[in-house]
Amino acid sequence: GQQVMQIPQYQHVQEGEDFTTYCNSSTTLSNIQWYKQRPGGHPVFLIQLVKSGEVKKQKRLTFQFGEAKKNSSLHITATQTTDVGTYFCAGYSNTDKLIFGTGTRLQVFP
Amino acid sequence: DAGVTQSPTHLIKTRGQHVTLRCSPISGHKSVSWYQQVLGQGPQFIFQYYEKEERGRGNFPDRFSARQFPNYSSELNVNALLLGDSALYLCASSLVGGNTEAFFGQGTRLTVV
Repeated sequence: GQQVMQIPQYQHVQEGEDFTTYCNSSTTLSNIQWYKQRPGGHPVFLIQLVKSGEVKKQKRLTFQFGEAKKNSSLHITATQTTDVGTYFCAGYSNTDKLIFGTGTRLQVFP
Repeated sequence: DAGVTQSPTHLIKTRGQHVTLRCSPISGHKSVSWYQQVLGQGPQFIFQYYEKEERGRGNFPDRFSARQFPNYSSELNVNALLLGDSALYLCASSLVGGNTEAFFGQGTRLTVV
């Protein structure tokens, strides 16, 4: 079945450093979504990318969708303690199933 | 506006029992999906319902079932509970079926002892 992997599994950074998480799907995706889950919370939608090679920015966050629509990345510039949480990519293939990645847990030290 | 609401928030059950979890989607949303999230892992897709019909099913045993009501609320039922069913069960609603943003509820924390 479809698998979506993310690396790294964990990332600890000093406040102000940059952070990147990578997402790879075993199958071509119709779109890719990114969610953030704070400790003890529920996933919160961040963004959706649809087009091959698409790049979107939200303040310090930059999202990319690969040309082959099988991979994506999330880059955070100058991390803040409020960025702490687990970042999940999630994608639809040719079904209505939204498949989540394995997640990257980000810890930011002040 | 109310977001996605789930009940109960926490639940403790004994092995072999059954459980019913409930979800009310955001007003106007016609699609509800259920996910199981084990501690330290990503949400695993269980079911999706759209307009009261099952549109997708994940790799879960037949002990898991769900339904969607005319008001678009949904129930997830799990029979013959196992210790491994202990997890956070998340409900997500969206305007239509696939390829749209999902809004998650706070989840139901199920503990099977």
